Amino acid sequence: EAEVAQSPRYKITEKSQAVAFWCDPISGHATLYWYRQILGQGPELLVQFQDESVVDDSQLPKDRFSAERLKGVDSTLKIQPAELGDSAMYLCASSGFDRPNTGELFFGEGSRLTVL
Amino acid sequence: QKEVEQDPGPLSVPEGAIVSLNCTYSNSAFQYFMWYRQYSRKGPELLMYTYSSGNKEDGRFTAQVDKSSKYISLFIRDSQPSDSATYLCAYTGRRALTFGSGTRLQVQP
Repeated sequence: EAEVAQSPRYKITEKSQAVAFWCDPISGHATLYWYRQILGQGPELLVQFQDESVVDDSQLPKDRFSAERLKGVDSTLKIQPAELGDSAMYLCASSGFDRPNTGELFFGEGSRLTVL
Repeated sequence: QKEVEQDPGPLSVPEGAIVSLNCTYSNSAFQYFMWYRQYSRKGPELLMYTYSSGNKEDGRFTAQVDKSSKYISLFIRDSQPSDSATYLCAYTGRRALTFGSGTRLQVQP
């Protein structure tokens, strides 16, 4: 069964350091999302890509976060510098081209970040 | 006011009980309504999905949508210990999925 791959699964870093997360969506899925989930809360959208283009990054803290999907396939989310409040699970999800906003998202297992 | 309100629980029930999970929303632009299930340390997975008012049934699960009241529910019949997870309601319209905060459910054997 096709899955969304994410790495690393766990990352511990000190504040002010740089950190990067990688996501490989299900093959053929044009839409890719990055969500952040703080413990005890629901996921919150950070950025949405359609192929290599950013569709929505209105909630992405652009002073320290960046995201790219250069060839319209895999994607990288970077944080520099990391702050204590960035400790969370970073979830990547993808959906098929014909259903970009119907809500049928396939999530990866997430990358859990702890900032010390 | 949050766009989506969901009781965080935790909700603890005995095996075999009927479980009712609820969400309210405020944005009339929401068009699609769904429930995701999230096991501990895993990503959410889609459980049920609907875009109209009324009921939708899938095995032991029933999703109910009332657009006039901006209220959705998930019912689980004959609950099992394997149903123990966090249940997230979610909505979408012009933007991508907006999630509730999740209700943690524990089904006791």
